[in-house]
Amino acid sequence: SQKIEQNSEALNIQEGKTATLTCNYTNYSPAYLQWYRQDPGRGPVFLLLIRENEKEKRKERLKVTFDTTLKQSLFHITASQPADSATYLCAPSPYAGNMLTFGGGTRLMVKP
Amino acid sequence: DTAVSQTPKYLVTQMGNDKSIKCEQNLGHDTMYWYKQDSKKFLKIMFSYNNKELIINETVPNRFSPKSPDKAHLNLHINSLELGDSAVYFCASSPRIGGNQPQHFGDGTRLSIL
Repeated sequence: SQKIEQNSEALNIQEGKTATLTCNYTNYSPAYLQWYRQDPGRGPVFLLLIRENEKEKRKERLKVTFDTTLKQSLFHITASQPADSATYLCAPSPYAGNMLTFGGGTRLMVKP
Repeated sequence: DTAVSQTPKYLVTQMGNDKSIKCEQNLGHDTMYWYKQDSKKFLKIMFSYNNKELIINETVPNRFSPKSPDKAHLNLHINSLELGDSAVYFCASSPRIGGNQPQHFGDGTRLSIL
């Protein structure tokens, strides 16, 4: 069965460092992969979408990579700030007509 | 202006009751969704509507009945509430149906069954 795995343990980093979050998938061939941010008591907020033919996508301090051979996406936040502290969810989708399937999320804590 | 709004934000009720959650989006999107986020924080799709038509109905008990009176609204009615229904329910919308469409979420309805 399809499996999407994100590190369930919280990631603690120091302000100014680069945070790297991992999304691994098995028995799955996504054509797209989306990343969302979720703050406590709030709904997820869309951050980035990457297509299977794109190796990398950037938006300001955010960078996403997509390796279909390793079946993995990495989400990087450079020059991290305490305001980046949140849970980050990955959501692959096999093709345009299908729904997103969300991973369990990784909680990021950026300490001043 | 709130893009996707859900009411109520909190819902506390007894087992066996019937309740409804309302959702409205002002983004002009064609597609709307209901998700359930359990205590382990997994976000699971329940239903998807595209232009008022049901597209996706995951393995959800038939006690859950969505209704879309128009493209901007998707309500969720739950009959005979059970303890296991306690969760946060999120409404979302996207411009069109598809995995390449960013989804906009409401802030959730926290349902607690006593």
